[in-house]
Amino acid sequence: KAGVTQTPRYLIKTRGQQVTLSCSPISGHRSVSWYQQTPGQGLQFLFEYFSETQRNKGNFPGRFSGRQFSNSRSEMNVSTLELGDSALYLCASSFNGADSPLHFGNGTRLTVT
Amino acid sequence: AQSVTQLDSQVPVFEEAPVELRCNYSSSVSVYLFWYVQYPNQGLQLLLKYLSGSTLVKGINGFEAEFNKSQTSFHLRKPSVHISDTAEYFCAVSLLQGAQKLVFGQGTRLTINP
Repeated sequence: KAGVTQTPRYLIKTRGQQVTLSCSPISGHRSVSWYQQTPGQGLQFLFEYFSETQRNKGNFPGRFSGRQFSNSRSEMNVSTLELGDSALYLCASSFNGADSPLHFGNGTRLTVT
Repeated sequence: AQSVTQLDSQVPVFEEAPVELRCNYSSSVSVYLFWYVQYPNQGLQLLLKYLSGSTLVKGINGFEAEFNKSQTSFHLRKPSVHISDTAEYFCAVSLLQGAQKLVFGQGTRLTINP
């Protein structure tokens, strides 16, 4: 079974631009979550989608948004990029529910210059 | 709100020595508990989880963890480590119900010296 696939692996953007990250979950998984990982703040929850609906959201500004498609694939968008948005963005999928373990992709490393 | 504290940011040990990575959590309600490992330039991989039942849980790669409700701890142990265990380890909690959302600790970098 293929794992969680995130594209692209690396991305370099300039302040003020916007970016879209993509995530393909494990086949059969309907929940997709996004996390931001930085050296200073660690791993922080961005949002979770289930059956195309946002089910939970972390404490990030509205510049961070996401969506999920009918095939469970998900995209995350960050508008008006800031230097502080430089991070590793991790996508994770699970079958359903809080007791289902998350399966993580290898992440997209975003650098904002 | 839930929070997780990993008491050691770095743990150096010699190969074949035992290791314990400490994790304490805070929550006003019951939670599920997890340990994840992250190798360089990779995502996180689940080591083990505690959902209910026996407080001693066994995971992959010879790791085990013990849930202690009274001390709100979930320490990770391995009796004999290998060079390949060098990685960053994250303890995490999630609520029992509702949407999938993990709260992570800051991580413990485990370095194995030959």
